[in-house]
Amino acid sequence: DAKTTQPPSMDCAEGRAANLPCNHSTISGNEYVYWYRQIHSQGPQYIIHGLKNNETNEMASLIITEDRKSSTLILPHATLRDTAVYYCIVRSNSWGKLQFGAGTQVVVTP
Amino acid sequence: DTGVSQDPRHKITKRGQNVTFRCDPISEHNRLYWYRQTLGQGPEFLTYFQNEAQLEKSRLLSDRFSAERPKGSFSTLEIQRTEQGDSAMYLCASSRRGTGPYNSPLHFGNGTRLTVT
Repeated sequence: DAKTTQPPSMDCAEGRAANLPCNHSTISGNEYVYWYRQIHSQGPQYIIHGLKNNETNEMASLIITEDRKSSTLILPHATLRDTAVYYCIVRSNSWGKLQFGAGTQVVVTP
Repeated sequence: DTGVSQDPRHKITKRGQNVTFRCDPISEHNRLYWYRQTLGQGPEFLTYFQNEAQLEKSRLLSDRFSAERPKGSFSTLEIQRTEQGDSAMYLCASSRRGTGPYNSPLHFGNGTRLTVT
């Protein structure tokens, strides 16, 4: 599976949009981009995934560049409860498992 | 959908003892995964099952570790002769097997935190 690169930490003001970048320059054609987050002392929580089109759900939006070498997770109106480690993962459609990196620690401040 | 359930939430044991953890996946999910997470690190894959078949094991899964999934429902992870280095959060996840090019997301439980003293 392709590796991903994320900044180790980000701060975001409550009520503002949080834009979380992820680089995955070695992604191949059958690999999806997945985002999870993990709040302290809980298991990872699925947020969203996509192949090449932008995706939106009730939690977030995922913007994937046309060359698929990078993506951005957008939390439209960050709240204090969005403070968590966010993981960007590239996952092959032929394998079940996810390979986690170190993620981005996002801190939402009042 | 009651989510993935793990038991116990916390376990403290002395070095050398055996421990067993249980995971109950989401009911219609036929894939089940075990991960381990140490402080400050992302979860690391240990093993996964499709129904009752154990399809992949990580090199992290030493011979002291064994996982089972009888009848393709709940799963257990046993660690024999625990060592202090086994102290970690043990996470279970489940998913439906996707059809075609689509794999369904993994849904995680809240883990079992193991402390070996």
